[in-house]
Amino acid sequence: GENVEQHPSTLSVQEGDSAVIKCTYSDSASNYFPWYKQELGKGPQLIIDIRSNVGEKKDQRIAVTLNKTAKHFSLHITETQPEDSAVYFCAASAWGKLQFGAGTQVVVTP
Amino acid sequence: NAGVMQNPRHLVRRRGQEARLRCSPMKGHSHVYWYRQLPEEGLKFMVYLQKENIIDESGMPKERFSAEFPKEGPSILRIQQVVRGDSAAYFCASSPAQGVNTEAFFGQGTRLTVV
Repeated sequence: GENVEQHPSTLSVQEGDSAVIKCTYSDSASNYFPWYKQELGKGPQLIIDIRSNVGEKKDQRIAVTLNKTAKHFSLHITETQPEDSAVYFCAASAWGKLQFGAGTQVVVTP
Repeated sequence: NAGVMQNPRHLVRRRGQEARLRCSPMKGHSHVYWYRQLPEEGLKFMVYLQKENIIDESGMPKERFSAEFPKEGPSILRIQQVVRGDSAAYFCASSPAQGVNTEAFFGQGTRLTVV
């Protein structure tokens, strides 16, 4: 089955700096890679996703990159703001079900 | 368009009781997924359902756990004879009907506490 690894587990950045989270996956059949943001006491919120036929996707301050050959994908957040503080999860999907990484606690300090 | 609705938000059960968690998917969505999240851990897949069908239950414990998604009404995750280790947040997600690997949207979760 699919195994998703996510690094780092915690990330502390100064407001305005960039944050990068990296994930690797094992199942070459995976072709959909979403990212979720989870705030304390809430459900995961889909923030961006990418499919295997695309190498990069950007939405305002958030971008994702995908390297299918190396089986890794990354989330980039530029110009971080305090409201970006949350836990971020990557996921990979081949047959509908999502397999999640362990999460990255991002703390943005003013 | 309301999002994925889960209820109750919080559920307390004594050991040995049954827990029933409900999930109403977004309008137009016919794929439902259940995930479990232990404190400060990631989301673990449990089961994937379509209307009246279980598509993938590879993440479901073999005993005490069951799930359904009837033709009418919400999806139900049922845990019989709960134990302390069942205490967790249970999240439901739904995705549209046009096939696999489309956007999945999560509810706010049900936090189950077994005392």
